[in-house]
Amino acid sequence: EAQVTQNPRYLITVTGKKLTVTCSQNMNHEYMSWYRQDPGLGLRQIYYSMNVEVTDKGDVPEGYKVSRKEKRNFPLILESPSPNQTSLYFCASTPSGRSHNEQFFGPGTRLTVL
Amino acid sequence: KQEVTQIPAALSVPEGENLVLNCSFTDSAIYNLQWFRQDPGKGLTSLLLIQSSQREQTSGRLNASLDKSSGRSTLYIAASQPGDSATYLCAVSGTASKLTFGTGTRLQVTL
Repeated sequence: EAQVTQNPRYLITVTGKKLTVTCSQNMNHEYMSWYRQDPGLGLRQIYYSMNVEVTDKGDVPEGYKVSRKEKRNFPLILESPSPNQTSLYFCASTPSGRSHNEQFFGPGTRLTVL
Repeated sequence: KQEVTQIPAALSVPEGENLVLNCSFTDSAIYNLQWFRQDPGKGLTSLLLIQSSQREQTSGRLNASLDKSSGRSTLYIAASQPGDSATYLCAVSGTASKLTFGTGTRLQVTL
């Protein structure tokens, strides 16, 4: 089944404890991105990647890191999480950044930073 | 900077009614517009994708239209059902496939 998977789905952590949220897609998509969703603010893009080893900042990149060493994986790294990063996170992928095709979203990761 | 607005923020209708959800965007230089459905605590399900060269797309009871020059899109839901209750999000795609989302319309269809 074609899908985008994220792990973990739920995470409660404490301020300053490094964490990684994994994202994987099995559709051989070139373009992947991360969004966060907050009440009243909608979904905002954190980082995106046009292809392997190519990443760039979205609208709200502060406090996050990403890497794209393989086409299928695009992990989101919080080196020192803070309470304002408590949010619902979504990973998305699409065949190509230039063809502007339909985007597919993962099920979301609900993160709470105490 | 692209801004996307959805009106109304919430809507409650009785089962069987036809309804229209609205989406407007400030920058008409888009590649496509996508409508999503989000159930509480769940991910996003893509409903319809309209390329900038298209005027509308249909899928079952759903019909989405796009007027790029005026910066508007509508999602028409025919013969609404309780199972249609969800939050509906529209998003426009600009450069680098970045999606700019509206804050959504929360729809409740009552029996």
